[in-house]
Parts: sequence; structure tokens; C-alpha cells
Amino acid sequence: EVQLVESGGGLVQPGRSLRLSCVASGFTFEDYGMHWVRQAPGKGLEWVSGIDWKSEKTGYADSVKGRFTISRDNAKNSLYLQLDSLRPEDTALYYCAKVSQAGSWFMGFDSWGLGTLVTVSS
Amino acid sequence: QSVLTQPPSASGTPGQTVTISCSGSTSNIGINYIFWYQHLPGTAPKLLIYRDNKRPSGVPDRFSGSKSGTSASLAISGLRSEDEADYYCASWDDSLSGWVFGGGTKLTVL
Repeated sequence: EVQLVESGGGLVQPGRSLRLSCVASGFTFEDYGMHWVRQAPGKGLEWVSGIDWKSEKTGYADSVKGRFTISRDNAKNSLYLQLDSLRPEDTALYYCAKVSQAGSWFMGFDSWGLGTLVTVSS
Repeated sequence: QSVLTQPPSASGTPGQTVTISCSGSTSNIGINYIFWYQHLPGTAPKLLIYRDNKRPSGVPDRFSGSKSGTSASLAISGLRSEDEADYYCASWDDSLSGWVFGGGTKLTVL
């Protein structure tokens, strides 16, 4: 069974940084692209960032480009998201999501974690 | 303002068929696959439909997807109380080089 467990969220002041982690199990992590999707309070889902299985390709939403950095450690079955220069509008539940097809970037997400909450406030 | 447009709400009575629409453009739905997700607050979103109209194993055949041009639809037949949730469409957008979601449709089973 695929499991994705996010951690690292919390309350942080505007301008500060946070690092989110997602530990994966139940599948061959190194074969799959991974993404971060967030949901602000009372809002819908918003794609944040993605990384391919070999860390050769990354992508970011315009709203976080230049401030967030995605990375992965296949030896540790882990996905990360470094959040810098945080803004109040970054307040959201951040989900880790697995791409549905090995070696693909465009095949959607077939498994998600429960999310980790990031609150940016002074 | 979401790139993909969904109605904010939909409703139906048990046993009915409800359809949720998702409108996009030639840079997303028009040339890339559409995916549908079911989301209950406090839980992980669940993949309902992939590659426009395919169901993952375990998803009842009451759920079906279709696509025409730059629009897509999710149909739920034989509506049940447990179908009450938020539903999101998603597609890759070539112009934005990113995944785009609809704003979500809150389905109420009356």
C-alpha cells in the first residue's frame, strides 16, 4: 500500500523559511515523479511544484517561483520542499502527491498524503 | 480565479445522476489529459478518473469521465450519500508549464 507522510509544517513569521518533508513507502520511489499541491483555508487545490524521478526536471507555480525549492533523496525515499521568503498567502495545507505512471511527468497524481499545515503570520 | 472553470456547487437526490463540468482552453484540456479528484476535508484527495475517462481499480463504475474539445465532464450515477464531497478537475497546461486545477465543485446529496 502506498503511503505518503508529510511533516515540517508549523507557524512561521513572514519572510522566514520552512522545510517540508514527505516520506514515501509502498512503491519504488526512485521510479516516480513527485509533486507538492497546496490548499489554502476555504480555497481549492493549487499545484505548487514537481520533480521528476531523476531530479533532472523541476517545475514551479508562478506564485512560488524563486522562493520555493523542490528536491528529493531517492536513497531515503523522501521528497522535500524548501519554503523561503514566506508570505501570509502561502498559508495552506501542503500535500505530497505521487505521479500515477513511472517515468512520466504528465500522468496526474494517484496517491496523496494527508498534508502538513503551514501558517504564515506575525 | 482558476484556470479551469467548474461550477462551485452541484446537488442531487439519492439515485440521481449528477454531472460536473470543467472548462479549459487549448493549452490544457484541449491537448492534455484531464484528471478528476474527490476530496473530503481532512482526508487525502482521491483519484477518480485519469486520462480523461479511465477509472483506477476500486473506483465504482458509477463514476465516469468524458471530454470534448476544451471541456470535460464528470458524471456520477446512482448518487449515494457518501458521494458528498468536493470534486476537482486538473490538467497540465502547456502555456503555464504547470498543473492547473479547477476551483472545485461541492457536491451535496439532498
